[in-house]
Amino acid sequence: NAGVTQTPKFRILKIGQSMTLQCTQDMNHNYMYWYRQDPGMGLKLIYYSVGAGITDKGEVPNGYNVSRSTTEDFPLRLELAAPSQTSVYFCASTPRTGELFFGEGSRLTVL
Amino acid sequence: QKEVEQDPGPLSVPEGAIVSLNCTYSNSAFQYFMWYRQYSRKGPELLMYTYSSGNKEDGRFTAQVDKSSKYISLFIRDSQPSDSATYLCAMSYTNTGNQFYFGTGTSLTVIP
Repeated sequence: NAGVTQTPKFRILKIGQSMTLQCTQDMNHNYMYWYRQDPGMGLKLIYYSVGAGITDKGEVPNGYNVSRSTTEDFPLRLELAAPSQTSVYFCASTPRTGELFFGEGSRLTVL
Repeated sequence: QKEVEQDPGPLSVPEGAIVSLNCTYSNSAFQYFMWYRQYSRKGPELLMYTYSSGNKEDGRFTAQVDKSSKYISLFIRDSQPSDSATYLCAMSYTNTGNQFYFGTGTSLTVIP
């Protein structure tokens, strides 16, 4: 099993550009999450989804959007990129047991 | 006050030492407690998962939960250089996977 796959692994954006971080899981998990991780700040929840067609905001949703059209995919959209969005982004999924499975991360730099 | 507090370290120990990593939390409603290990430039991976109070052992790792003190610990026996990583504690109210609360992580280096 591939688990949780994130693309791209690295990206440099200019201020004001937009992009989509892709996340796919092949474990048939209903719950999926997007976190950002900044040095010394731990993991902050951006958005989460409890199933296809259902999404909800986490702790730091401003500047981001998500969609969940299928169980497998949970893309994160950044509109009008800002330097404050420079971070490492992790997608994760879980069955109802509550054990999170993470992707390898996407490193984004906004210049 | 943060929901979950974790000493960021860094922590440096010689190979073979016993390591103790700790987190405290403020909300007594937390029921599920987890420890994740994160190697440099990788995603976190689940190390230990416990429900409510008590101890859980898995090889060289022991997770301990003291709900009366709102305190959880991870012990690593006979530490190895391969244990060098950042360790994140996490907790949640339910096992339905809605929301998890993470500590900021403790950086551990095991010196050969």
